[in-house]
Amino acid sequence: TQLLEQSPQFLSIQEGENLTVYCNSSSVFSSLQWYRQEPGEGPVLLVTVVTGGEVKKLKRLTFQFGDARKDSSLHITAAQPGDTGLYLCAGARSGGGADGLTFGKGTHLIIQP
Amino acid sequence: EAGVAQSPRYKIIEKRQSVAFWCNPISGHATLYWYQQILGQGPKLLIQFQNNGVVDDSQLPKDRFSAERLKGVDSTLKIQPAKLEDSAVYLCASSQRTGIGYTFGSGTRLTVV
Repeated sequence: TQLLEQSPQFLSIQEGENLTVYCNSSSVFSSLQWYRQEPGEGPVLLVTVVTGGEVKKLKRLTFQFGDARKDSSLHITAAQPGDTGLYLCAGARSGGGADGLTFGKGTHLIIQP
Repeated sequence: EAGVAQSPRYKIIEKRQSVAFWCNPISGHATLYWYQQILGQGPKLLIQFQNNGVVDDSQLPKDRFSAERLKGVDSTLKIQPAKLEDSAVYLCASSQRTGIGYTFGSGTRLTVV
C-alpha cells in the first residue's frame, strides 16, 4: 500500500508569514498533485508535478517534486486569509490505465488576519 | 464548462438501510471516479470507470457497495446495507483522460445513524 504522509497536520499563522507543507512517501509516484479543499466542497486541483526536481509556481504558491519522485512540498509566500483551507497532496500510480490517486490526510491551514 | 454534478448533497439514513448517490461528470470526460472521504482524512478511491468499464475496484467493499456507469456517462454508487462506519462524504470526479488532474464534484455527505 502506497502511503503519503503530510506535515504538519494543522498550521495556524498570521497574515503575511511564509509557510511550507510537506508530503512524503516511501513509494515512487508517476506524478503528484496538490489540491485545496474548502468546507462542503470537493478538492480543487492546484498543480500537477511529473518530473523529478520539477518546480512550479502559481502566484504566491511554489510546488516542488523531489528528485526521486517520492516527496513534494508546497511553499506559500506572504500568506493571506484567502489561503485558508485544507491542502491535500495526492500521488498517481501508473500502468494499466488505473490512475486512481492516493491522498495524504491533508494539512489544515488557517491564516489569521 | 459545467462542473461535476452530484446529488443528493446530504443524506441521513439508519444503519442497515440502502442509499444511492448519483454523479454526472463533465461532458466528454471518459474517466469517472468515486472516492470516500471520512472526516479528518483524505479521499480514498473506491472505483474508477473508463467509459462504462471498470478499471479499478480493488478498494470497493463489494459485499455492500456497488457502482455502475451503464451508458458511459452518469454513474450511481449504492450502499446496501449501510453501516455506521460508512458515514462520510462521497466524492465523484472525472477527467478527460488518465494521467491528468481531476475535477471533483461537491460531494454527498452521508450520515448513518
